[in-house]
Amino acid sequence: DAGITQSPRHKVTETGTPVTLRCHQTENHRYMYWYRQDPGHGLRLIHYSYGVKDTDKGEVSDGYSVSRSKTEDFLLTLESATSSQTSVYFCAISESGGKFTEAFFGQGTRLTVV
Amino acid sequence: AQSVTQLGSHVSVSEGALVLLRCNYSSSVPPYLFWYVQYPNQGLQLLLKYTSAATLVKGINGFEAEFKKSETSFHLTKPSAHMSDAAEYFCAVTYTGGFKTIFGAGTRLFVKA
Repeated sequence: DAGITQSPRHKVTETGTPVTLRCHQTENHRYMYWYRQDPGHGLRLIHYSYGVKDTDKGEVSDGYSVSRSKTEDFLLTLESATSSQTSVYFCAISESGGKFTEAFFGQGTRLTVV
Repeated sequence: AQSVTQLGSHVSVSEGALVLLRCNYSSSVPPYLFWYVQYPNQGLQLLLKYTSAATLVKGINGFEAEFKKSETSFHLTKPSAHMSDAAEYFCAVTYTGGFKTIFGAGTRLFVKA
């Protein structure tokens, strides 16, 4: 299995509080991604990174920010959590950005905003 | 807009029956295509991928998919379903020139004994 660790695995937080999710990889892959998974929507891309300090927005980036100060770590921050951000969050990594190569996924973080 | 559509959010088959999960993409340029499987409380794992070397792609666990450019489709099949195939399946697309993968909404496969 690809070495991807997401933390925490489960979190319950209150509306309006900031939350940070961490993704750590041991594969030295260049590309890292944050997705959210919701019933009926599949996985939607929040943000992605194509190198240290190089990040860009995905299709559902509002209310989220990311940082990547080291190759192995990609942090997702919910600046002020809302109930609509209750979801399962997946981190993924890819060696060459998806073309002809697959993404490897973490186990997911289940976030509940109350 | 680039998109991928999976027809049917739920598919139910009997054990031993043919599995057919449908995926269509929107593009005039052939993309890079993938099928992933997700078992309960786990992340996604790759089943197979289309790399333009052959239109019929074989994956793990007896699954295969056929790329049909004229139909913009990449349907997933398995000749004989097994109980262990019960899971959610996602079709995914990465378009030429990009490195963002777009996922379909998923199809949950139920296998009846």
